[in-house]
Amino acid sequence: QVQLVESGGGVVRTGRSLRLSCVGSGFTFSGYGMHWLRQAPGKGLEWVAVIWFDESNEYYADSVKGRFTISRDNSKNTLYLQMNSLRAEDTAVYYCARDRVTYLSPNYEFDYWGQGTLVTVSS
Amino acid sequence: SYELFQPPSVSVAPGQTASITCSGDNLSEIYAHWYQQKPGQSPMLVIYQDSRRPSGFPERFSGSNSGNTATLTISGTQAMDEADYYCQAWDSSTAHVVFGGGTKLTVL
Repeated sequence: QVQLVESGGGVVRTGRSLRLSCVGSGFTFSGYGMHWLRQAPGKGLEWVAVIWFDESNEYYADSVKGRFTISRDNSKNTLYLQMNSLRAEDTAVYYCARDRVTYLSPNYEFDYWGQGTLVTVSS
Repeated sequence: SYELFQPPSVSVAPGQTASITCSGDNLSEIYAHWYQQKPGQSPMLVIYQDSRRPSGFPERFSGSNSGNTATLTISGTQAMDEADYYCQAWDSSTAHVVFGGGTKLTVL
């Protein structure tokens, strides 16, 4: 069955960096666009970034553009999110999610989600 | 920027039909998707492309999208359906993903 497992969350000081990872299994990882989304405590969902299945394109939410970088290693079935210049408002549970379509540009439909990893940014 | 609006809460008696709305300018011109999130769990896709149901998901969940409003309908609502529900769309003109604020469904 499809599984996505995030790791790398924790407590970090304002302005510092953190890298999240997400390992996929139970599907052909290299065939799917992958996303990062987040949810601040007690709040709604926010999309963060997407990377094409073949790494040919990546896009970001305005709130993280220039600070976060999404990447993937298809040989390791792993998705990454490098987060720099972290702010208090980046505090959230970060989820990786699979795009529903294969070998195409993403449809921005998130059919499987990981369990999430909590990032807390404090001064 | 494009926005989606949902009622903060909806209540329904067990066995009855629950309807959760999602409003946005000319929403029917783009696809609406719906996610269910139970307390302490990750979101789960329940309806995609307005009305399609992922394989294995209960048939009591259905969706529609017309004019400015998309609607998630749960027929014969069960206690296990109590959750937060989020609508979502992709605005291709801005390449932005948009979520509604979420609706808490309470099964009385």
